[in-house]
Amino acid sequence: ELKVEQNPLFLSMQEGKNYTIYCNYSTTSDRLYWYRQDPGKSLESLFVLLSNGAVKQEGRLMASLDTKARLSTLHITAAVHDLSATYFCAVVPEGVAGGTSYGKLTFGQGTILTVHP
Amino acid sequence: EPEVTQTPSHQVTQMGQEVILRCVPISNHLYFYWYRQILGQKVEFLVSFYNNEISEKSEIFDDQFSVERPDGSNFTLKIRSTKLEDSAMYFCASRLSTGAIESKNIQYFGAGTRLSVL
Repeated sequence: ELKVEQNPLFLSMQEGKNYTIYCNYSTTSDRLYWYRQDPGKSLESLFVLLSNGAVKQEGRLMASLDTKARLSTLHITAAVHDLSATYFCAVVPEGVAGGTSYGKLTFGQGTILTVHP
Repeated sequence: EPEVTQTPSHQVTQMGQEVILRCVPISNHLYFYWYRQILGQKVEFLVSFYNNEISEKSEIFDDQFSVERPDGSNFTLKIRSTKLEDSAMYFCASRLSTGAIESKNIQYFGAGTRLSVL
């Protein structure tokens, strides 16, 4: 069974600081997603990472994927208050024996990020 | 920008009653999903739907649950006899296709239906 673990689960940052959220997963994966969720809201797609070594950047967020280590990171640069939210990584396992992966997402527990002035 | 639409936003029901949660996925998407999130917990997969049939389902998706795509646009989740533990936020998601193009692989989520079972 695929397990996805995020670290840390709670992150309190000062504005202007840098930090990294880690996402480890337990089996071979087709692809990895990062989502943002504001309280009481839906999930907003941030990044899709499809291959080993993939790196994506959007504003102050940068995501990377190391499929050999089964690890993805979400790096936050010079945090601002607007980045306060819960961040989830989600993994799609590789299709089995040549079959199709229908894209079922297995989510991590989420990292609650709070950015303070 | 196209979006996944879910109705109602909040549904209150009595234990044992049937509920139907409705979703309109993005129009040219091919893969459809239901997930749920119990308050304060992570998002859990329920079921995926492709080519007019269930492609995968989780242990949560037992005989009390069913899905339908009756008319080529709506995608519904029915819970036949609700239990207290079914109280959660239910998210519908859709995806265009698969393959190596990142933008086609994004699963877009609706705003969710909060189901409260009393």
